[in-house]
Amino acid sequence: GAGVSQSPSNKVTEKGKDVELRCDPISGHTALYWYRQSLGQGLEFLIYFQGNSAPDKSGLPSDRFSAERTGGSVSTLTIQRTQQEDSAVYLCASSAAGGLGEKLFFGSGTQLSVL
Amino acid sequence: GQSLEQPSEVTAVEGAIVQINCTYQTSGFYGLSWYQQHDGGAPTFLSYNALDGLEETGRFSSFLSRSDSYGYLLLQELQMKDSASYFCAVPQTGANNLFFGTGTRLTVIP
Repeated sequence: GAGVSQSPSNKVTEKGKDVELRCDPISGHTALYWYRQSLGQGLEFLIYFQGNSAPDKSGLPSDRFSAERTGGSVSTLTIQRTQQEDSAVYLCASSAAGGLGEKLFFGSGTQLSVL
Repeated sequence: GQSLEQPSEVTAVEGAIVQINCTYQTSGFYGLSWYQQHDGGAPTFLSYNALDGLEETGRFSSFLSRSDSYGYLLLQELQMKDSASYFCAVPQTGANNLFFGTGTRLTVIP
């Protein structure tokens, strides 16, 4: 597609349920990032994928969070046993090669609300 | 660790010039980026400075001084549509992701 696509755009779930968030990066981009943004706050790094290399998971806040990237393209972020503090906008971004200073292209995000 | 400091809010008049500052603390500096985010929208790339000096792109310019660990974003001929949050960012030390500041909310008033 023309840009980074994320789905769903909104997700409301009950505390304790699992959720899956999807990201479709720009075709040909080898680097993919997940960030989280709480209301009125900055972007918090979660995880980074580059090609076939092992992902950088250093930003994942707990073992309830995991992510996969299949075939070097689509990525899924999974949050197990959701908690209210997980409520945030989850943003996905991709870049051509993951180089320093390279432009990141962001999707519009998934607004997650945990009740 | 790393830190980025930017003002939380700035208000400016339509047609005026506004400067948004960013002071950083990081080991191994590799450049300063700026992103714009409208309410409810996706962050979009504005500029990247790896070397000292001013980079100009239309109404927007970005400046970097590595010796002062300081940069700024300059917006000229402000328009109402420039009302948004502006984030400075640096590469995370020892990693490949970008570390973002907490953002400056710019409000342009008539």
